Amino acid sequence: ETGVTQSPTHLIKTRGQQVTLRCSSQSGHNTVSWYQQALGQGPQFIFQYYREEENGRGNFPPRFSGLQFPNYSSELNVNALELDDSSLYLCASSLNSGHTDTQYFGPGTRLTVL
Amino acid sequence: KQEVTQIPAALSVPEGENLVLNCSFTDSAIYNLQWFRQDPGKGLTSLLLIQSSQREQTSGRLNASLDKSSGRSTLYIAASQPGDSATYLCAVTPGNQFYFGTGTSLTVIP
Repeated sequence: ETGVTQSPTHLIKTRGQQVTLRCSSQSGHNTVSWYQQALGQGPQFIFQYYREEENGRGNFPPRFSGLQFPNYSSELNVNALELDDSSLYLCASSLNSGHTDTQYFGPGTRLTVL
Repeated sequence: KQEVTQIPAALSVPEGENLVLNCSFTDSAIYNLQWFRQDPGKGLTSLLLIQSSQREQTSGRLNASLDKSSGRSTLYIAASQPGDSATYLCAVTPGNQFYFGTGTSLTVIP
């Protein structure tokens, strides 16, 4: 089991609402990446944060935003929720940026949008 | 854009059998390839990381190979066990983000 934790475990929201998901990285890791995984699909890269700055972004609209704090924990915020946002949201921490290191994943947050 | 494909989508084998999972990617300009395991509704567990300069990596009963020029990787599982039942995902990175396949769902029958 990795040292990456995510909260909450499950969340139910209605369309148009806003949501904040949280991730605590593994000790010593300064990089956090967020992924969206729809049922039966592989994870899709949302963005990465390295030392509190966004360091790469996938093909997601601006209503998906994030933060990284001085202790390297991170938040994913999604505004104006849509039904298609219902997915498992995963965060992964790594020792450094550059996507060359092993990524350690948390257990995920299951978001359901009604 | 990088496309990652995994074949087969699902596989069912009797306990004790050796098996191979396949992963192919369209752009050979990658830094590394990782194999992950995912149990239902759970996060991903990293199994093996192969750097682009390497040809294979081994961990216990698992062996992963990488042929960057042909855009292919295989994950070999020896002497399969019911506890190996899970979805196996491969992911590649060209340096700016990770691209995942859709996974192979493995069932090992006791």
